[in-house]
Amino acid sequence: ETGVTQSPTHLIKTRGQQVTLRCSSQSGHNTVSWYQQALGQGPQFIFQYYREEENGRGNFPPRFSGLQFPNYSSELNVNALELDDSALYLCASSLNRIYEQYFGPGTRLTVT
Amino acid sequence: ELKVEQNPLFLSMQEGKNYTIYCNYSTTSDRLYWYRQDPGKSLESLFVLLSNGAVKQEGRLMASLDTKARLSTLHITAAVHDLSATYFCAVDTSDTDKLIFGTGTRLQVFP
Repeated sequence: ETGVTQSPTHLIKTRGQQVTLRCSSQSGHNTVSWYQQALGQGPQFIFQYYREEENGRGNFPPRFSGLQFPNYSSELNVNALELDDSALYLCASSLNRIYEQYFGPGTRLTVT
Repeated sequence: ELKVEQNPLFLSMQEGKNYTIYCNYSTTSDRLYWYRQDPGKSLESLFVLLSNGAVKQEGRLMASLDTKARLSTLHITAAVHDLSATYFCAVDTSDTDKLIFGTGTRLQVFP
């Protein structure tokens, strides 16, 4: 059984650029949730995708967008990067939304 | 809005000592989770607590849940250096489908 994977591991971008982060869900899971964890803080919910549809969104601006593919992998896109977007981005997969979420290793994004 | 508070935020303890981390949440929750996070790493699931009175133990860590008091505790017994990490509690409800995390407790165990 393959766990949750994320790519890339680290990323450095310049303010104003766009970035795409990727997540492959655990085998058999159809739900992916994305979280942002700023340094020294707890993870904050960005949004969740269930069977390719957005299923809940946290307090993040529209420049944070996502996508889920038929194989249930997912992308997180962030446009017009700001310095405050620097964080660890975690994705988590689960089965049918209501079961325990399993976290991937994260992508560390640095915006300069 | 569901809120989760942890205390203490920082805990420095000597090896061999016992201590408890507290997690309070503001509204009814279906599940409570405890995670461990090492610096620069992702979240490692420690416990999932599903019902009032639930108690789970793994090694030197024991977690409990009191849904009436909206309180969970993570008790550390005879701490060792390897337990040094940040510990988060998180809750979810069936109608939100998202995890709400506490502020985290940074634990440092010294000889």
